[in-house]
Amino acid sequence: GAVVSQHPSWVICKSGTSVKIECRSLDFQATTMFWYRQFPKQSLMLMATSNEGSKATYEQGVEKDKFLINHASLTLSTLTVTSAHPEDSSFYICSAIFTNGYNEQFFGPGTRLTVL
Amino acid sequence: DAKTTQPPSMDCAEGRAANLPCNHSTISGNEYVYWYRQIHSQGPQYIIHGLKNNETNEMASLIITEDRKSSTLILPHATLRDTAVYYCIVRVGGSQGNLIFGKGTKLSVKP
Repeated sequence: GAVVSQHPSWVICKSGTSVKIECRSLDFQATTMFWYRQFPKQSLMLMATSNEGSKATYEQGVEKDKFLINHASLTLSTLTVTSAHPEDSSFYICSAIFTNGYNEQFFGPGTRLTVL
Repeated sequence: DAKTTQPPSMDCAEGRAANLPCNHSTISGNEYVYWYRQIHSQGPQYIIHGLKNNETNEMASLIITEDRKSSTLILPHATLRDTAVYYCIVRVGGSQGNLIFGKGTKLSVKP
């Protein structure tokens, strides 16, 4: 299957700082990528849909000014957590649609963010 | 909200078949059923998907009832490495639609 990578795999930062997470489709182009967040012992929650060359669409309750998404190319989407606080500590996972006949969605390995 | 309901947990003996049920009674005619699994602290892994016919690949089989209101994922010979949370998802929004995850089923494969 198609491969999606994320960088970094984990990050620790101080409260008030900003953190950028990269999501790359390694062997295919993805016009649509998704960002999810997962708290411990909970399921994945969709945060936003990222479309190449246009503004992201955020789910209800997700602050677009806090979670900045940039999908500048067909292989890269970034999520920037601005002014991070301890409650933003979570597992962030991206996915990309592989535009074959079935438009399967492949997930990255996730990024563990810890805000001190 | 997720359109599926699954049992929260199941056990299976190593080497035996694991049958994971899923109810999706409000599924629409053109919505696909997808199965993913998530091993601890990793991203979800695609397993299989289907519309109305039964499907089989190298990982699993998917059995969808004729009325499409429920389905069963079958792992024919479960191994310890199959221990994971399994998510049954009805994909909405067509071929570019997103996946809304429910709580899934925690499958524990025991020796």
